[in-house]
Amino acid sequence: AQSVTQLDSHVSVSEGTPVLLRCNYSSSYSPSLFWYVQHPNKGLQLLLKYTSAATLVKGINGFEAEFKKSETSFHLTKPSAHMSDAAEYFCVVTRYSGGGADGLTFGKGTHLIIQP
Amino acid sequence: EPEVTQTPSHQVTQMGQEVILRCVPISNHLYFYWYRQILGQKVEFLVSFYNNEISEKSEIFDDQFSVERPDGSNFTLKIRSTKLEDSAMYFCASSTGQDEQETQYFGPGTRLLVL
Repeated sequence: AQSVTQLDSHVSVSEGTPVLLRCNYSSSYSPSLFWYVQHPNKGLQLLLKYTSAATLVKGINGFEAEFKKSETSFHLTKPSAHMSDAAEYFCVVTRYSGGGADGLTFGKGTHLIIQP
Repeated sequence: EPEVTQTPSHQVTQMGQEVILRCVPISNHLYFYWYRQILGQKVEFLVSFYNNEISEKSEIFDDQFSVERPDGSNFTLKIRSTKLEDSAMYFCASSTGQDEQETQYFGPGTRLLVL
């Protein structure tokens, strides 16, 4: 079985400072890992995904995440926060080994607050 | 850019009534999904659908739930007799199913309130 733990329910940073959203996973298989973002009244948008080709994954809007198998972590980072980054962020793992029909297992989400 | 759309955005119903939530997946996608998020809880997988049949379902997806692709564009989730605990945000998603680390594209959700 797969599971995801997002270590912080809320993270608050000042605009222009780095962002770190933490995620640990548990998986019986080689996992497929994703970060999704949800802005208010919007759908879930894919930020980035781990494809096993490289451990450092770059996504949209300047976000990146590093897959660390030894630590079972997939933390999301951004060097400089922008006000438009304020949203809910979900760390996600596929339920099984990866494939078209597999449902996703979500973390509880981290609410990112950007202070002006 | 193509998007998954969902209607209605909000639905209020009485306990015991049937509801149908509608989704229009991205047009060239072959796999369709429903998820729900009860307020304050995780997003949970309900069901996946491919080639006009259910591929996978979670333990949440019991006999009161059903899914259908009634035509070439819509994908629906029916809740036969709603309960108070069915109140949640319901998300539809779709994917092409063409690579292993598959990307699922989500709609904006339908917020269902059962009174």
